[in-house]
Amino acid sequence: LAKTTQPISMDSYEGQEVNITCSHNNIATNDYITWYQQFPSQGPRFIIQGYKTKVTNEVASLFIPADRKSSTLSLPRVSLSDTAVYYCLGWNFNKFYFGSGTKLNVKP
Amino acid sequence: DTAVSQTPKYLVTQMGNDKSIKCEQNLGHDTMYWYKQDSKKFLKIMFSYNNKELIINETVPNRFSPKSPDKAHLNLHINSLELGDSAVYFCASSHRLAGGLGEQYFGPGTRLTVT
Repeated sequence: LAKTTQPISMDSYEGQEVNITCSHNNIATNDYITWYQQFPSQGPRFIIQGYKTKVTNEVASLFIPADRKSSTLSLPRVSLSDTAVYYCLGWNFNKFYFGSGTKLNVKP
Repeated sequence: DTAVSQTPKYLVTQMGNDKSIKCEQNLGHDTMYWYKQDSKKFLKIMFSYNNKELIINETVPNRFSPKSPDKAHLNLHINSLELGDSAVYFCASSHRLAGGLGEQYFGPGTRLTVT
């Protein structure tokens, strides 16, 4: 099973870089790792996806080590509006599992 | 234009009743999903349909029955509602994800409260 685990919560201050790590044991060789963001009373929203090494887009970076058993979502210079729950999503062939979510609280 | 829409947004009902939640997507995707998010915010996949064919059917009570009249719609019917069914139900859609490549688009959710 592509079980995923991540920290329950994290605190940060505006302007800091935040790194959220997810461990995903048994991820299949060819499967991707995806991160989603969820604000209260909204559905999750796609942030970034990667297979190996590093991926960067306009909102985040995703670091995946060579063994692919974990991944780290990096949010540069967070603002108050980045306060949300962040989920990693792991696949194992045709099955996928969301992590339990990390509640990021950004303080002024 | 709303990409993935769900109705109703809120649903309050009594135990034992039967209710349905509707979902529609206008993104041209061929795959749709139903998720349950409990009070602890765990997101659990319930069902997935690809081109009206059931492809994922997790361990869910058979009181839950998805129905896909066409690939733009995936409805969820729940019989004999129980207190433990209270949760937020999300519909999502995507192109068929092979190995997880691609993204899912989620609806706004339906908050179901069973009293």
